[in-house]
Amino acid sequence: GQQVMQIPQYQHVQEGEDFTTYCNSSTTLSNIQWYKQRPGGHPVFLIQLVKSGEVKKQKRLTFQFGEAKKNSSLHITATQTTDVGTYFCATDSWGKLQFGAGTQVVVTP
Amino acid sequence: EAGVVQSPRYKIIEKKQPVAFWCNPISGHNTLYWYLQNLGQGPELLIRYENEEAVDDSQLPKDRFSAERLKGVDSTLKIQPAELGDSAVYLCASSPGTSGYQETQYFGPGTRLLVL
Repeated sequence: GQQVMQIPQYQHVQEGEDFTTYCNSSTTLSNIQWYKQRPGGHPVFLIQLVKSGEVKKQKRLTFQFGEAKKNSSLHITATQTTDVGTYFCATDSWGKLQFGAGTQVVVTP
Repeated sequence: EAGVVQSPRYKIIEKKQPVAFWCNPISGHNTLYWYLQNLGQGPELLIRYENEEAVDDSQLPKDRFSAERLKGVDSTLKIQPAELGDSAVYLCASSPGTSGYQETQYFGPGTRLLVL
């Protein structure tokens, strides 16, 4: 099945800085979903990307789907302590979500 | 609107003992999922139900795991007997449609299982 690889595994960010996390696949993906999981919490849906080159924004978060639909990125500007957590990308293969291993984000005040 | 409800939230058992987890999805959601999440990893699908039918159980270790969703609403996941390697978080999720394809999945708080 489709598998997605996320980099980096860990991201230490100073409050106020920007960072980007990436989700890559060796095969063309039909879609990408992004979820956020706070420490001790459960995954919460953020966004779904379907179209080639699609860009969606949610306040300080910008999500992009690559032109070849083999990669996606999440860019966060002006990081805040509330951004702490693990960000997962996942691809949906006919109702079956396959998650990456996630990028764990730690924010230093 | 109430979210996905799971119980218990925490469970500690000795190996070889049975354990059961319960999930009540969001009202009206037809598709229900059980995931396993190990520490530092993403959730892995165990089984997916469309109404009362298990449409994907290919990742469920059927020698010790079983699940049911008898009336197409709430669901139970059972492990018998539990092994040390079963220690993980068991997440339940639901989505409104009948296929789950490209749908938002809503996750419950999970059951944290520790097998001693």
